[in-house]
Amino acid sequence: DAKTTQPTSMDCAEGRAANLPCNHSTISGNEYVYWYRQIHSQGPQYIIHGLKNNETNEMASLIITEDRKSSTLILPHATLRDTAVYYCIVVDNDMRFGAGTRLTVKP
Amino acid sequence: NAGVTQTPKFRILKIGQSMTLQCTQDMNHNYMYWYRQDPGMGLKLIYYSVGAGITDKGEVPNGYNVSRSTTEDFPLRLELAAPSQTSVYFCASTATGFNYGYTFGSGTRLTVV
Repeated sequence: DAKTTQPTSMDCAEGRAANLPCNHSTISGNEYVYWYRQIHSQGPQYIIHGLKNNETNEMASLIITEDRKSSTLILPHATLRDTAVYYCIVVDNDMRFGAGTRLTVKP
Repeated sequence: NAGVTQTPKFRILKIGQSMTLQCTQDMNHNYMYWYRQDPGMGLKLIYYSVGAGITDKGEVPNGYNVSRSTTEDFPLRLELAAPSQTSVYFCASTATGFNYGYTFGSGTRLTVV
């Protein structure tokens, strides 16, 4: 079973920041938090990952709480092409996907 | 780099037939994975491999077999196709360890009738 809890769906206005939450209250000390997204029926696309510190790359930022029990993926300026299902995954021995959050970016 | 290549992209099988889904990667990744995704659902891990000659079961291995004779290839075998195996199958790979993201193929859409 997935170790994370995410909202089923979210909406975001185009050009605004999209903040996608994820709860992982049972995370262990050495487990990383990964984020992927899946557009339509394409293969999932890696976005970002982190352990303890906040991370940023060209796609997004990842904010991990100090107790590591939750995290937030931030898409700073959402576009229509960011409409996708976003998966938050805690990696143990392998990567198990939950149902994810369906983000819809609206004009 | 082609990344992860899956063939075929689409296939229709009759109940009881067998087939092999091909997956190859050119990134010299040690770790490879097979997932299936049913409509409206997340991905479920079928099998994975941490290197040539080493494979292990994931969440939903029943009805499938794998082999890993080379670093590049990780085929998935369906011996007796059943309607429950109608799904989209994704192959993925990553370098050693979990500090790297997975690279996914574009998927194989399989229908068993």
